[in-house]
Amino acid sequence: ETGVTQTPRHLVMGMTNKKSLKCEQHLGHNAMYWYKQSAKKPLELMFVYNFKEQTENNSVPSRFSPECPNSSHLFLHLHTLQPEDSALYLCASSQDLGKQLFFGSGTQLSVL
Amino acid sequence: AQSVTQLDSHVSVSEGTPVLLRCNYSSSYSPSLFWYVQHPNKGLQLLLKYTSAATLVKGINGFEAEFKKSETSFHLTKPSAHMSDAAEYFCVVIAYGGATNKLIFGTGTLLAVQP
Repeated sequence: ETGVTQTPRHLVMGMTNKKSLKCEQHLGHNAMYWYKQSAKKPLELMFVYNFKEQTENNSVPSRFSPECPNSSHLFLHLHTLQPEDSALYLCASSQDLGKQLFFGSGTQLSVL
Repeated sequence: AQSVTQLDSHVSVSEGTPVLLRCNYSSSYSPSLFWYVQHPNKGLQLLLKYTSAATLVKGINGFEAEFKKSETSFHLTKPSAHMSDAAEYFCVVIAYGGATNKLIFGTGTLLAVQP
């Protein structure tokens, strides 16, 4: 195990639902990240947090809302998603920005 | 600007034969380079990393990569493929930029291992 835990592993939701993805790291890292991985597309960086402050938002639609209450926890709140948002959402952490990433196993999201 | 190019989107080998996954990088600085592996429905796992020490880097599961500055390459190799090596492999370079550094991911190479 990498020390980064994501829940749930799988999520199916309708376009009107509200759900949240959770990520927890037990590594004492300062930076946390959300990535989106879609079939046949490169890995997309969504958000970056450093010491629980957001340092990067890569033009992500507002239907994705991140939350980082402390350096160990990261959430991704989802509402009124579209079918094209179906993807594997990966959380990662690193000791500091730009250092080796440690990934969780991801949440496979399907939007119906 | 830093970038990384994985030259093959798919590679297929037979079990027991050598594996070569190619990666070229572009960097204005002395780069830090990584290879990550992703098995189906799993997160990415670090295979190995180069951070300006020895140019031949050994990783987990028998993989190794050689940093060649003259060729701007960081190819991943393994002498003998195993069925469990079937996965997607990502080459990554660190982009250094002022206050923050970013990891730049390649588009991935899907490795198939035939029995």
